[in-house]
Amino acid sequence: GAGVSQSPRYKVAKRGQDVALRCDPISGHVSLFWYQQALGQGPEFLTYFQNEAQLDKSGLPSDRFFAERPEGSVSTLKIQRTQQEDSAVYLCASSLVSGGSNEQFFGPGTRLTVL
Amino acid sequence: AQTVTQSQPEMSVQEAETVTLSCTYDTSENNYYLFWYKQPPSRQMILVIRQEAYKQQNATENRFSVNFQKAAKSFSLKISDSQLGDTAMYFCAFMKHGEGSRLTFGEGTQLTVNP
Repeated sequence: GAGVSQSPRYKVAKRGQDVALRCDPISGHVSLFWYQQALGQGPEFLTYFQNEAQLDKSGLPSDRFFAERPEGSVSTLKIQRTQQEDSAVYLCASSLVSGGSNEQFFGPGTRLTVL
Repeated sequence: AQTVTQSQPEMSVQEAETVTLSCTYDTSENNYYLFWYKQPPSRQMILVIRQEAYKQQNATENRFSVNFQKAAKSFSLKISDSQLGDTAMYFCAFMKHGEGSRLTFGEGTQLTVNP
């Protein structure tokens, strides 16, 4: 079956622009995570959904970052008024159920460059 | 809060030889999981191996095995019979037990397998 997909794969934005990044998790996966990966670093947690409920958004770096998963499937990460420090790869991951050692399956990421 | 440290930014190994990647972590949790993820240049993060903290036996997956030392909070990855396709960034990650737990990643180790 299909894995986690993300679009676009690459996004270039001018500082101050709004961007929207899409994640299509594996069908039937309850949990969905967003991570931010700066160049040469490990991914860092942004937010977590269980179905349509956003249960943890403690990793979002500012109120310019907003995520939603309205129907419990596709998720969108929106960044308003982008800044240069927002440049990173944004990774989405999904898992069948929450908790335990359930494997998180990662998408290919969206590389965001803010000029 | 949990922290994961990988002290080897880069490692190299000859094809068919064995290499060990180091990882240490810090946590006050007693029930948790540890993972090694591989991220090739294509960026798709792939799970290599996982270890439940309550299990004393070290996990093994074909050529990949771990040395889990709970008291020392150490979790190293051994790759035997290294192959060119093993060239990638390797991340050690921690997840505490519980619903919706996020992954906490180390900084990564770039492994290069030389022919």
